Amino acid sequence: DADVTQTPRNRITKTGKRIMLECSQTKGHDRMYWYRQDPGLGLRLIYYSFDVKDINKGEISDGYSVSRQAQAKFSLSLESAIPNQTALYFCATRRSPNTEAFFGQGTRLTVV
Amino acid sequence: DQQVKQNSPSLSVQEGRISILNCDYTNSMFDYFLWYKKYPAEGPTFLISISSIKDKNEDGRFTVFLNKSAKHLSLHIVPSQPGDSAVYFCAAMIQGAQKLVFGQGTRLTINP
Repeated sequence: DADVTQTPRNRITKTGKRIMLECSQTKGHDRMYWYRQDPGLGLRLIYYSFDVKDINKGEISDGYSVSRQAQAKFSLSLESAIPNQTALYFCATRRSPNTEAFFGQGTRLTVV
Repeated sequence: DQQVKQNSPSLSVQEGRISILNCDYTNSMFDYFLWYKKYPAEGPTFLISISSIKDKNEDGRFTVFLNKSAKHLSLHIVPSQPGDSAVYFCAAMIQGAQKLVFGQGTRLTINP
């Protein structure tokens, strides 16, 4: 079983719909991150959390919200999906003070 | 503003030869650098890293070089193997800030 699990792996949704992407980890790491990948732009940070009570915006947080339900779970929500949110989304975890981040397999989201 | 740049979207190398992937950064506060490898339909996986107090780090076939004065790092793979065909992301961080900033990625293709 993967240490960092993302669900769903693929999702097609309509413009204006609310959608939630989920991430759970069994690594016991305190830090969790959401990134999106777009062609030619690499991985950009959406939100990150250092523990259940600590949520921080990344460089492209507009249109997204997150919830850290437990140390092991970090969800990303699109309140009203729009086509330019079509992308590959990755969840990642880290254990402070280590620098290496571990990624999930990704969620491919298409907004039509 | 792209703080970490990989200016070559793609690179093609013959099997057995050396692959050199390059990365430039603009923020002089970055003090830790990492390379990630990504296969299709998988999340990025950590490959090798280097602290700003070093100028070289080697792990088997992979060596990362850091030139702080030029704000440039490179990943050398020798000898290159077909399984090295993947997208490679350079990432940088300020250790106190705890966030990874990624480049756009370089698609490496190893030809038989």
